[in-house]
Amino acid sequence: ETGVTQTPRHLVMGMTNKKSLKCEQHLGHNAMYWYKQSAKKPLELMFVYSLEERVENNSVPSRFSPECPNSSHLFLHLHTLQPEDSALYLCASSHEYGGTGTSFSTDTQYFGPGTRLTVL
Amino acid sequence: RKEVEQDPGPFNVPEGATVAFNCTYSNSASQSFFWYRQDCRKEPKLLMSVYSSGNEDGRFTAQLNRASQYISLLIRDSKLSDSATYLCVVPTGSARQLTFGSGTQLTVLP
Repeated sequence: ETGVTQTPRHLVMGMTNKKSLKCEQHLGHNAMYWYKQSAKKPLELMFVYSLEERVENNSVPSRFSPECPNSSHLFLHLHTLQPEDSALYLCASSHEYGGTGTSFSTDTQYFGPGTRLTVL
Repeated sequence: RKEVEQDPGPFNVPEGATVAFNCTYSNSASQSFFWYRQDCRKEPKLLMSVYSSGNEDGRFTAQLNRASQYISLLIRDSKLSDSATYLCVVPTGSARQLTFGSGTQLTVLP
């Protein structure tokens, strides 16, 4: 299997449930990302991992907890979510994280198919 | 100015038409830019990268104007399969993050 895969593809959960989203990349990349895409809104970056170390956390509520056990796998643990957390959650990976030197450029990111989450 | 701002759309064009989208960005230090395509209820997929003044790939041409800080995407001879949302993407912050525009929706009509 190639590219970036995500499971499950669809998830419905109650506000008191605990669930986890899984992402796996088969591209040999060193950086992995979680994004949230709500209806009619741009993609919002949630977390970034580079070489299994969290390097960015964009003011995401603590009810979202990421985990990166190795450079190929990324999880997003969910607990006590709110209905407004319903969205498409996208995982992405890139060769490296960030720009090169002073060039202010960044690597292409490749996305998984996403998990469509509904919180009841 | 917003970090990344796109034409609001939607654009509805007939097959065979030429259509262009614009995107403006605020960070003058940005060097690389991307156009992604996102089909309904699917993930974004890279369409083109733009590192210099422009890039051409078949019917698609991306142009970069650094002085005015905008990027454009031109689609010639539109196909029905070009119907999608086109996302303008710019590195921001310390160049370590990508900021996505809100997207421009294109519908190509038969």
